[in-house]
Amino acid sequence: DTGVSQDPRHKITKRGQNVTFRCDPISEHNRLYWYRQTLGQGPEFLTYFQNEAQLEKSRLLSDRFSAERPKGSFSTLEIQRTEQGDSAMYLCASSGLWETQYFGPGTRLLVL
Amino acid sequence: QQQVKQSPQSLIVQKGGISIINCAYENTAFDYFPWYQQFPGKGPALLIAIRPDVSEKKEGRFTISFNKSAKQFSLHIMDSQPGDSATYFCAASTGNQFYFGTGTSLTVIP
Repeated sequence: DTGVSQDPRHKITKRGQNVTFRCDPISEHNRLYWYRQTLGQGPEFLTYFQNEAQLEKSRLLSDRFSAERPKGSFSTLEIQRTEQGDSAMYLCASSGLWETQYFGPGTRLLVL
Repeated sequence: QQQVKQSPQSLIVQKGGISIINCAYENTAFDYFPWYQQFPGKGPALLIAIRPDVSEKKEGRFTISFNKSAKQFSLHIMDSQPGDSATYFCAASTGNQFYFGTGTSLTVIP
């Protein structure tokens, strides 16, 4: 499968724990996006990378959230000191020269 | 503040009918307007997209109508099929950031 992959697909954690998600974009895509989606809502933009540079960051991204894309390939999204309000689907998308975004299957996070 | 407003929230259409979903935006800096289809447990998948210099774009059974002066755009699904039952999201982009509508749950009745 040459699409966007995300790992893990599901994560259950206790409040206060740290979690890290991984996204592997389509190999030739230089743009990578992270979104958060809650039930009944559209994806909310979190952050955007072009190659290894983080160029945009939403105000939704509190200081407990950090994202990296160290070599311009895969990316990680870490949430520190998780809260129940962090429970959501975290989506990753990648795109090449054009704006067409290809989404991964998402990581569903449940904070107990 | 919702950058893109989408309606209706849910839609039920008979097989063979036309499904119409509407979106409105305020930011005139948006220059790319895609529509996504999402099935339960899956990420959104791009259906069709349009730029503001075009008033209509058609791909198969899917058509986007774009009204720049009204800052509105809509998705028309012709000859709707049960397999089209999914959640549809409109979005608008300035290039680096994408803003999504709240989604429309479409059910096509056989």
